[in-house]
Amino acid sequence: KQEVTQIPAALSVPEGENLVLNCSFTDSAIYNLQWFRQDPGKGLTSLLLIQSSQREQTSGRLNASLDKSSGRSTLYIAASQPGDSATYLCAVIQAGTALIFGKGTTLSVSS
Amino acid sequence: DGGITQSPKYLFRKEGQNVTLSCEQNLNHDAMYWYRQDPGQGLRLIYYSQIVNDFQKGDIAEGYSVSREKKESFPLTVTSAQKNPTAFYLCASSREGGSSTDTQYFGPGTRLTVL
Repeated sequence: KQEVTQIPAALSVPEGENLVLNCSFTDSAIYNLQWFRQDPGKGLTSLLLIQSSQREQTSGRLNASLDKSSGRSTLYIAASQPGDSATYLCAVIQAGTALIFGKGTTLSVSS
Repeated sequence: DGGITQSPKYLFRKEGQNVTLSCEQNLNHDAMYWYRQDPGQGLRLIYYSQIVNDFQKGDIAEGYSVSREKKESFPLTVTSAQKNPTAFYLCASSREGGSSTDTQYFGPGTRLTVL
């Protein structure tokens, strides 16, 4: 059964730092991997989707990489800002299933 | 505006009552999903539907029921058989289920509290 793990569970950084969030998964037979952002008490917003044949995706200050063979993905956030404070969730999708989520990393960026 | 709406935003239930959470989408998506989120647990799949009049159980379907009579609607009923229903419930939809390019779009959620 697929399991998704995110490390660290929480992270606090000062404004301006570059940071990396980690995601690992146990079964490499995935269709894609997605990173979401969740603000407190809100729904999820899709940040980046990496197809299984791709190595990385970029959107603005965000860059996500995927190493399917090792079961790892990273989300790189450049020049962090207080507005980046949120919980970041990693999820994978396999054939015939819905998304399987990690428990998330809660990021706090102080000004 | 295109998107997914969930109602109500907050819902209170007495023990032994059934309650129904609404989820509507106007994105013309075929697939819809219900997730439950508990503190420190991440999101867990309750039910999903890849097409009208068809749905599948997820990992934690016990005590829940769904229907998919219309493409745009996927209501979730929390029955009295669900022993610990207090949680944040999220509905999502996608163009089709399980493809490599498919992104799920999420509603704003319903917070259910059992009194």
